[in-house]
Amino acid sequence: GIQVEQSPPDLILQEGANSTLRCNFSDSVNNLQWFHQNPWGQLINLFYIPSGTKQNGRLSATTVATERYSLLYISSSQTTDSGVYFCAVEGANAGKSTFGDGTTLTVKP
Amino acid sequence: GAVVSQHPSWVICKSGTSVKIECRSLDFQATTMFWYRQFPKQSLMLMATSNEGSKATYEQGVEKDKFLINHASLTLSTLTVTSAHPEDSSFYICSADTDRGTFEQYFGPGTRLTVT
Repeated sequence: GIQVEQSPPDLILQEGANSTLRCNFSDSVNNLQWFHQNPWGQLINLFYIPSGTKQNGRLSATTVATERYSLLYISSSQTTDSGVYFCAVEGANAGKSTFGDGTTLTVKP
Repeated sequence: GAVVSQHPSWVICKSGTSVKIECRSLDFQATTMFWYRQFPKQSLMLMATSNEGSKATYEQGVEKDKFLINHASLTLSTLTVTSAHPEDSSFYICSADTDRGTFEQYFGPGTRLTVT
């Protein structure tokens, strides 16, 4: 099946800093989503982005499907951005998602 | 829109008993729902794909007789952990496809199961 690798595994930032999280995948994908898992375990949808670029406030994401990667940008980070960020992809005709191992982000005040 | 609920949010049960977890799509119909399991500080592992009106499709290594899935309507799927044991203790999360043809998943808040 498709392999999904996220980097870095852990990231510690000072409040106000910017960061880039990466998601590499091993094969063609139909769909790609970024999620933020909060401390209570809830997965919050950030972006549905099988290709192209999207922005939502301080967050933006870019997927280059032909090169098999996606990037999540967080600007002016806040302590509430802390948590685990997951990339999930649906391989071609898979009908199900495969999750990366996540990036644990800690934003310090 | 696209809200998914789970009940209960946490449950403690004794070894050997069965526990049922409900997953509901509140404001949309979901032909397909998914059940995941997550251990502490690990990623989500897909257990099974639940299709309304048909048998669930289980991932390799997941015991069908232990994790019973029923998708009786377009808004409800249930996961029953039968004869639970301490190793079944985990965080169980469901998700639903919004059926808009884009395969965009929305997740429930999860159920924390502890088997004593």
